[in-house]
Amino acid sequence: DSGVTQTPKHLITATGQRVTLRCSPRSGDLSVYWYQQSLDQGLQFLIHYYNGEERAKGNILERFSAQQFPDLHSELNLSSLELGDSALYFCASSDPYSLGTDTQYFGPGTRLTVL
Amino acid sequence: AQKITQTQPGMFVQEKEAVTLDCTYDTSDQSYGLFWYKQPSSGEMIFLIYQGSYDEQNATEGRYSLNFQKARKSANLVISASQLGDSAMYFCAMIGGSYIPTFGRGTSLIVHP
Repeated sequence: DSGVTQTPKHLITATGQRVTLRCSPRSGDLSVYWYQQSLDQGLQFLIHYYNGEERAKGNILERFSAQQFPDLHSELNLSSLELGDSALYFCASSDPYSLGTDTQYFGPGTRLTVL
Repeated sequence: AQKITQTQPGMFVQEKEAVTLDCTYDTSDQSYGLFWYKQPSSGEMIFLIYQGSYDEQNATEGRYSLNFQKARKSANLVISASQLGDSAMYFCAMIGGSYIPTFGRGTSLIVHP
């Protein structure tokens, strides 16, 4: 158990809908990363938040948005869903300034299926 | 831009033997971190080992060691005394000064009894 929690574990929805994925980082970790893992694209970095502020952005679609709240939990919002958005979405957390390594610890993931 | 290359899509090893999973990287950053993760069929991503670009010693964590050759920009993972539970996908990753993590495509390792 990495200490990172993600809800829900599974999500099935229809095209055009909007969903919210939630992540709680390990206690004390200020950084949260979001990833999308699909069979054809591999593990794609979406976005990184540090202590509530966006720090880096990867291949995140305009239909997707994220935020990190004052209690450090984070949410990833996916809207106007398409079939191709079906994937495993991971959240990871780290505390780079404490450990000096920015080692990321991953949550169990949310399996999103868009029908 | 950063890049991670894992050239071995699949590897096979006999139980109790050692195996090396290759990883080469490309970056213009002077300071960066290299990581290996394991993803079993259950799907979770498990952190295995970390190597900093300024670390002079190769990192070791139990049966895992990272063979870091900075001049060749390689960061190979060595698993000693393979176990059946080591069968999984293995990902090499790096983070540099841009705070953007980059992952390789992964290597599937199968350990035979």
